[in-house]
Amino acid sequence: DGGITQSPKYLFRKEGQNVTLSCEQNLNHDAMYWYRQDPGQGLRLIYYSQIVNDFQKGDIAEGYSVSREKKESFPLTVTSAQKNPTAFYLCASYRQGSSEKLFFGSGTQLSVL
Amino acid sequence: QKEVEQNSGPLSVPEGAIASLNCTYSDRGSQSFFWYRQYSGKSPELIMSIYSNGDKEDGRFTAQLNKASQYVSLLIRDSQPSDSATYLCAVKISGGSYIPTFGRGTSLIVHP
Repeated sequence: DGGITQSPKYLFRKEGQNVTLSCEQNLNHDAMYWYRQDPGQGLRLIYYSQIVNDFQKGDIAEGYSVSREKKESFPLTVTSAQKNPTAFYLCASYRQGSSEKLFFGSGTQLSVL
Repeated sequence: QKEVEQNSGPLSVPEGAIASLNCTYSDRGSQSFFWYRQYSGKSPELIMSIYSNGDKEDGRFTAQLNKASQYVSLLIRDSQPSDSATYLCAVKISGGSYIPTFGRGTSLIVHP
């Protein structure tokens, strides 16, 4: 079945540590996104990529980095510069056309030890 | 700054009633409107999209759009306990890349 796979489901970060969240899709979508969700809040855009080897900052990119070396993969690194990383992270891809929609992965819950 | 506003709730309705969820947006260039449902700890799923003024019905769900007043609403008829979730409104401006702006969501509780 086509879809988006995020891993791990739960992740713990020590102070000063960088951690990487994985996002893989087999939907053949060009555009991919990373969102952060805090309790009781909506989705805030961290980074997005519309094509391989290109990505753009979203509203809250500070303390995060991404790469897009393959169409299927869009990993997110939470760096030590992100001082409040505890949140639910969602990866998504976009299907264009008359039935446009975002497809979401199952999410990664990141917590600080 | 594009803004999408929703009442965070919770909105509590009895089983079988109509639940009405509202969303307002600030960007008059907005052309595409979406309602996503999110269960606790899960990812959002699209339940309705609407592009033109008026009503759009899909089963028990009806989306209503009024661009002049800059609001979009979602009605859920015959509400069921399984409808209890957070409903996220998303708005996208026309053209360009698909970068919707999400509201913070409204929590709906349907009690038996």
